[in-house]
Amino acid sequence: GAGVSQSPSNKVTEKGKDVELRCDPISGHTALYWYRQSLGQGLEFLIYFQGNSAPDKSGLPSDRFSAERTGGSVSTLTIQRTQQEDSAVYLCASSLNREETQYFGPGTRLLVL
Amino acid sequence: AQKVTQAQTEISVVEKEDVTLDCVYETRDTTYYLFWYKQPPSGELVFLIRRNSFDEQNEISGRYSWNFQKSTSSFNFTITASQVVDSAVYFCALSVEGAQKLVFGQGTRLTINP
Repeated sequence: GAGVSQSPSNKVTEKGKDVELRCDPISGHTALYWYRQSLGQGLEFLIYFQGNSAPDKSGLPSDRFSAERTGGSVSTLTIQRTQQEDSAVYLCASSLNREETQYFGPGTRLLVL
Repeated sequence: AQKVTQAQTEISVVEKEDVTLDCVYETRDTTYYLFWYKQPPSGELVFLIRRNSFDEQNEISGRYSWNFQKSTSSFNFTITASQVVDSAVYFCALSVEGAQKLVFGQGTRLTINP
């Protein structure tokens, strides 16, 4: 079946603008995760959704970052007032259930000028 | 807190050589899961293996094998008879029961030269 998909694959924006990144998990997967991969920080957890439970937002670096998951499927990660340090690859993953193996999408490469 | 250390930043070998990627982890939890992912130049993280803390059996899958030793908190990955297509960045990761996030090591960039 189809894997995790993310859009856009690349995004260039100007400092101060808002951006939205989209993730479509594997069909039937109840858990969805966002991670960030940057040169200086490696791979970092951002946020986790499981079914209808409240998300685990413990990895979000600031209140400029937020995420939603509508209808238990598609998720959108929003970064407001982008800063140059937000430049990174944003990776989405999904798993069948909590504590199952996470499968990753191709990522969105964000560049903030 | 959990931590994963991949001390080898870069490894370069000639094709057909065997190569071992090291992974050392830290956790106080008794139930945890260990993973290896491959990130080829295309950028997508590809799942390779998952082990839980109660299963120390080594695993072999084709040219890949994994050695899990709780006594040394290590989960090492060996590629036998390496091929150019094995060139990638390899990440070791850890998650613990009740916390779904993956904690990643810094990755090892493996280059297989023809």
